[in-house]
This record gives sequence, C-alpha cells and structure tokens, in this order.
Amino acid sequence: GQSLEQPSEVTAVEGAIVQINCTYQTSGFYGLSWYQQHDGGAPTFLSYNGLDGLEETGRFSSFLSRSDSYGYLLLQELQMKDSASYFCAALDSNYQLIWGAGTKLIIKP
Amino acid sequence: DADVTQTPRNRITKTGKRIMLECSQTKGHDRMYWYRQDPGLGLRLIYYSFDVKDINKGEISDGYSVSRQAQAKFSLSLESAIPNQTALYFCATSDRPSLAGVGTDTQYFGPGTRLTVL
Repeated sequence: GQSLEQPSEVTAVEGAIVQINCTYQTSGFYGLSWYQQHDGGAPTFLSYNGLDGLEETGRFSSFLSRSDSYGYLLLQELQMKDSASYFCAALDSNYQLIWGAGTKLIIKP
Repeated sequence: DADVTQTPRNRITKTGKRIMLECSQTKGHDRMYWYRQDPGLGLRLIYYSFDVKDINKGEISDGYSVSRQAQAKFSLSLESAIPNQTALYFCATSDRPSLAGVGTDTQYFGPGTRLTVL
C-alpha cells in the first residue's frame, strides 16, 4: 500500500533549527509537498520538491532524495508562531496527494 | 473574501440522519477534493473531481456521496450518518497541472466543517 512516515512529535527551542523527516512509499511519484496546519485551522501549502535537492523559501527549506524515498522540512530561526503540525504529502502516479499523519512541532521559549 | 468556503462550519446530528456539507470556491480551479481528518491520522481523501463531469472515489468513499453542481461547487453527503463519521471535513481545490506534467498540484483548503454524529 501507499504510505508516508513522519515523526508524530518534535520539540525544539525558540531560535533553533529543526528538521522533520518524511519517508514515502507510493505507486509512482511526482514530488513531495509540505503543509502547515495550526490548531483549529486549515492546512496551508509550504513547499514542493519535484526534483532532488534543496528548495529554500525564507526560513523554511525542503529537501528530496528520490533514490532514498526520503525528504525533510528544515525550519530555521524558530519562532513561537511556527508551533503547528506539519504534513508531508506525496503526489502519486494518479496525481493524487497521499498524506503523512503529521508531525506536531512544539516550540519552547 | 475567502477563496474556498465551507458551510456549515459546525454541525451536530444524530445517527441515521442525512447530512450535506457544501463547498464553494472563487479560485477558478477545476479540481476539487473532500478530505476528512481524524486525530493522529492526517488527511484522508473521500472523493475528488477533476472537472464537473469527472468524479472519482478516494481512499474512504464508503458511506459518502458527492455532487459537483458547477465548477465552483462541490457538495459532500452522508446518506445515513454514523458516529464514526465524526471528524473534521475539509474541502480543497487545485489548478490543473502544468503542460509539463510537473506541476505542484498545490491544494488550497477551506476552513473545515466540524461534524459530530451522536
């Protein structure tokens, strides 16, 4: 079956750097997306990797290695507002997004 | 104004009742989706529609039906609600992929409907 694995919870300190990993197993693969969801809110798009390598958008970066079926989201200079759940989602051969269960990021002062 | 809207935002109903959740979008996207979210399980796809005449079952379509009334409207129905359909329901839209076929399929979500079935 298709699945994405990511840690259920990560804790970090304000101002630090944190990496959230994601491994995937899908029927075909176009790319890996990352979404952020605050408590009570809707998921919002953060980044997409269609090719191997690093994509940088401000304090957030995302990495993909197709050969390892692996990607990660890197958040730098953590701020309290970054406390949220982060989801990886793989675009499969049917052009559907298959979602991971999400990683809750807890940031301590 | 929000690009993707959902009504109602909250609903409490009883087992066996028929419920309709509605989604409207002003983004002009062809593709629309219905997801449910349960704690610890992420998002699971119920149905999706790539255009008005194209509707497809997702991972967990049993007990649900949909109607794509127009490009901008996509409704989800629970024919006979049961307690394990208690969840947060999201509608989402996306644009068709680029001609190169490597579009991101970025999805834009509505605010969600919290449904409780007693």
